[in-house]
Amino acid sequence: AQSVTQLDSQVPVFEEAPVELRCNYSSSVSVYLFWYVQYPNQGLQLLLKYLSGSTLVKGINGFEAEFNKSQTSFHLRKPSVHISDTAEYFCAVSRASGGSNYKLTFGKGTLLTVNP
Amino acid sequence: DAGITQSPRHKVTETGTPVTLRCHQTENHRYMYWYRQDPGHGLRLIHYSYGVKDTDKGEVSDGYSVSRSKTEDFLLTLESATSSQTSVYFCAISDRGPSTDTQYFGPGTRLTVL
Repeated sequence: AQSVTQLDSQVPVFEEAPVELRCNYSSSVSVYLFWYVQYPNQGLQLLLKYLSGSTLVKGINGFEAEFNKSQTSFHLRKPSVHISDTAEYFCAVSRASGGSNYKLTFGKGTLLTVNP
Repeated sequence: DAGITQSPRHKVTETGTPVTLRCHQTENHRYMYWYRQDPGHGLRLIHYSYGVKDTDKGEVSDGYSVSRSKTEDFLLTLESATSSQTSVYFCAISDRGPSTDTQYFGPGTRLTVL
């Protein structure tokens, strides 16, 4: 079975600073990787996903993530954050081999708080 | 926004009572999911459906049952609610399988079991 670890439960940063949210995964087979964001009192929405191809994935709102197979990581980055980026961010993993019904496994989330 | 609604949005109930949560979609997506979100646990899959009358268990299915008699509706039932089932419940949908496809989430239902 696959698993995902988000190394920081909370990340406070100042507005316009860069940020990196860390995600490591564990799996015996190839994986697909996702980042979802949850704004206060809302459901989750997809930021970006890695299925294949370029290991640098660009998503919405200026976020990007890099798939590093050797380090089993998929860290999320943004060069300059805004107050509106305050939210909880979830990394998720699914199996890449076999059928299409392999389920997503979510990390426990990282709360990003952007301060003025 | 994907057309997903959840009802009720908030519910307070007592231990031992049955509870049914409803998820309704207008996207005609094949797959539907029920998750629960708890502090320190992230999202955990309860059950999911890959078609009408086709469902499968997730990682935390004990104490929950589901039904899908129409493409647009996916019901989650707590047969006898317990305090450990106090949580925020999210429904999600996807057009293709959960392995690769984007999931679209509803607004959530906050359930409190006293």
